[in-house]
Amino acid sequence: QKEVEQNSGPLSVPEGAIASLNCTYSDRGSQSFFWYRQYSGKSPELIMSIYSNGDKEDGRFTAQLNKASQYVSLLIRDSQPSDSATYLCAVKGNQGGKLIFGQGTELSVKP
Amino acid sequence: KAGVTQTPRYLIKTRGQQVTLSCSPISGHRSVSWYQQTPGQGLQFLFEYFSETQRNKGNFPGRFSGRQFSNSRSEMNVSTLELGDSALYLCASSAAGGFIDTQYFGPGTRLTVL
Repeated sequence: QKEVEQNSGPLSVPEGAIASLNCTYSDRGSQSFFWYRQYSGKSPELIMSIYSNGDKEDGRFTAQLNKASQYVSLLIRDSQPSDSATYLCAVKGNQGGKLIFGQGTELSVKP
Repeated sequence: KAGVTQTPRYLIKTRGQQVTLSCSPISGHRSVSWYQQTPGQGLQFLFEYFSETQRNKGNFPGRFSGRQFSNSRSEMNVSTLELGDSALYLCASSAAGGFIDTQYFGPGTRLTVL
C-alpha cells in the first residue's frame, strides 16, 4: 500500500463545474496536509494547507480533512481552463520537513 | 521576498560523472528539503537540512548526499551518475521545518544523464 494515494486521472470537467480531487494516506500519525498544483514543466506551488478535521476555504478552493477516515480532498468551484494542471497531495508527519507526495491527479478543464 | 532559487536550471551529464546542484532558500528560512521527481516514481523525498545538519533522509543510495551552509544555502551532490538519475531535482524551503510549516519550491534543476 502506498503511503499517499490519489486517483491518477485524468479528471475532466467542463468550465464552471466543481472539480473534486481525493487523497488517502496510511500513516495515522500524519499531522499536516497540503495540496500543490503543478503545471507541466513547472515546479509545485502551494494551494492549500490543512491541519484540523473539517473544511478550510480559500477563494474557489476548499480543502476537507477527515483524520478518522485518513482522507483529504480538494474541491475547486467554478473551474477554469487555467486550473488544468496536476494536483499533488502531500502529507507530513512528525519527521521535520519530510513531505510524502501522492502520484498526483491530472485535471483538465474543458472550455 | 525573493523565492527559492536553484542553479543550474539544466544539466547534461554522462554516466559515471558527478554533479552538484545548488539551492538558495527564501530569506529567513532555515530548513531546506530536496526531492527527486520522475514520471514513474513521482516526487520522492531525498533529505532535509536544518541549521547545517541533516535532519531527515529518504530511501536513496549513498551516492546522493547534501550539505547546508551557515547562510542556509544548500547543495546536493550525486556521484557516479546512472541513467536512472535523470530527473527534475526540486529544492523546497520552509521557516523551521515544523509540521505546520509550508514548503515553497524552487524552479528545479533538470538533470539528464546520457
